[in-house]
Amino acid sequence: AAGVIQSPRHLIKEKRETATLKCYPIPRHDTVYWYQQGPGQDPQFLISFYEKMQSDKGSIPDRFSAQQFSDYHSELNMSSLELGDSALYFCASSPLGVRGSAQETQYFGPGTRLLVL
Amino acid sequence: AQTVTQSQPEMSVQEAETVTLSCTYDTSESDYYLFWYKQPPSRQMILVIRQEAYKQQNATENRFSVNFQKAAKSFSLKISDSQLGDAAMYFCAYRSPSNYQLIWGAGTKLIIKP
Repeated sequence: AAGVIQSPRHLIKEKRETATLKCYPIPRHDTVYWYQQGPGQDPQFLISFYEKMQSDKGSIPDRFSAQQFSDYHSELNMSSLELGDSALYFCASSPLGVRGSAQETQYFGPGTRLLVL
Repeated sequence: AQTVTQSQPEMSVQEAETVTLSCTYDTSESDYYLFWYKQPPSRQMILVIRQEAYKQQNATENRFSVNFQKAAKSFSLKISDSQLGDAAMYFCAYRSPSNYQLIWGAGTKLIIKP
């Protein structure tokens, strides 16, 4: 079965540079979520999109922005990178289904490992 | 605000035996979803099992089952016949029907002894 695709898988940047992470959801999934996981930590929700509109916002820094495109893929743009932004960035997707169905489950991609030097 | 607590930072079990991982949560909502995710050393986040709060029946997936106690706000994961491939970090997560994000516990590292 098709899974969530994230690119790149690894990324090394210098402080104050910018980075763009891409996420391609599972086909027919219309909702995308972004999470940040620091070393030894649980994931922290950043932002989500449903049908190309922002649906929920978490602890996303102002330096970060994201959007979902007409083909449902999403991009997370990160500017003025800081050392503390080094983390594993997950994208997840789900179809927005009716209550009780399996569609509420979020399926995760392999993640993008970002290292800021 | 909802919170999720996993009080066991690390658990170990002998291969082929059974282990139970604990999770408690705090919420004022009556309808919600609970999940267990597994994160092996590859750091891929893999869904193990899910439970809808309005269902009284405990979810099962092969060797994995949950003990969902709604009144006690407890959601433990039982792994039967533990295998070496079960070694991973296990996260308990909560989702409200009114928003999109998952709220995570701190995780339990499961070690399988051969």
